[in-house]
Amino acid sequence: GAVVSQHPSWVICKSGTSVKIECRSLDFQATTMFWYRQFPKQSLMLMATSNEGSKATYEQGVEKDKFLINHASLTLSTLTVTSAHPEDSSFYICSQPAKGQETQYFGPGTRLLVL
Amino acid sequence: GENVEQHPSTLSVQEGDSAVIKCTYSDSASNYFPWYKQELGKRPQLIIDIRSNVGEKKDQRIAVTLNKTAKHFSLHITETQPEDSAVYFCAARGNQFYFGTGTSLTVIP
Repeated sequence: GAVVSQHPSWVICKSGTSVKIECRSLDFQATTMFWYRQFPKQSLMLMATSNEGSKATYEQGVEKDKFLINHASLTLSTLTVTSAHPEDSSFYICSQPAKGQETQYFGPGTRLLVL
Repeated sequence: GENVEQHPSTLSVQEGDSAVIKCTYSDSASNYFPWYKQELGKRPQLIIDIRSNVGEKKDQRIAVTLNKTAKHFSLHITETQPEDSAVYFCAARGNQFYFGTGTSLTVIP
C-alpha cells in the first residue's frame, strides 16, 4: 500500500498560536488528500478534502478560516490550525486515496495539545 | 448523506472465542465497505474490505459479510487472540468515506 507520512507526530502549543501539520505522500502522487480529526474514544471525522492546485472542500461545521489547507504539490498537503485553542486538542490524521482503488492509506497522525 | 451505525461500542471476549461487530448504512449508493483496526495512538489499518457485488469475504481468521438489501455488514473474528484487542471501525464509501463510531474489542487471555 501507499506510504503516507505526517509531521510532526505530536505538538504542544500555547493557546492563540498557529500549528502547521504536514502530510506527505512518499510513493505516488496524490491529487487528493483527506484530513480527519479524532477526539479521544471517538471515530474519525472528516474535516476537509484537499485538492492539488485548487481550494479544499470543507465539511459542514468546519471553519475554513481556522483550518487552513494547502495542497501545492502532488506530494504535500498541509493543515494549519490557526489561533489554536484547548478545544482544538485532538488527533489529526491525513489519508491518501489509493490509486485506482477505493481504499485509503492513513498517515501516522499528529497529536495536538493546546495549553 | 450517509449514516453509518456500529454496534457494539465495547466488546469483551475470552481468548479463542469469536467476536462479531455489526454495522448498518443508509445510502444505497455506497459500494465499498472497509474495516479498520486502530491501536491506541496509532493510525487506522485496513484489515479487510468488501465490495457491493460480493456477499462474503474471508482472510484467515477474519471475515466480512454484506447484506446489500438490508444495508448491513459485519466483521467476524474467529479464534481471537490478545493482540486482536484494539478499536475497530467500519466504513462505507459512496462519494466519500463515512466511518462508524468504533468498537473497542478486548480479548481476555
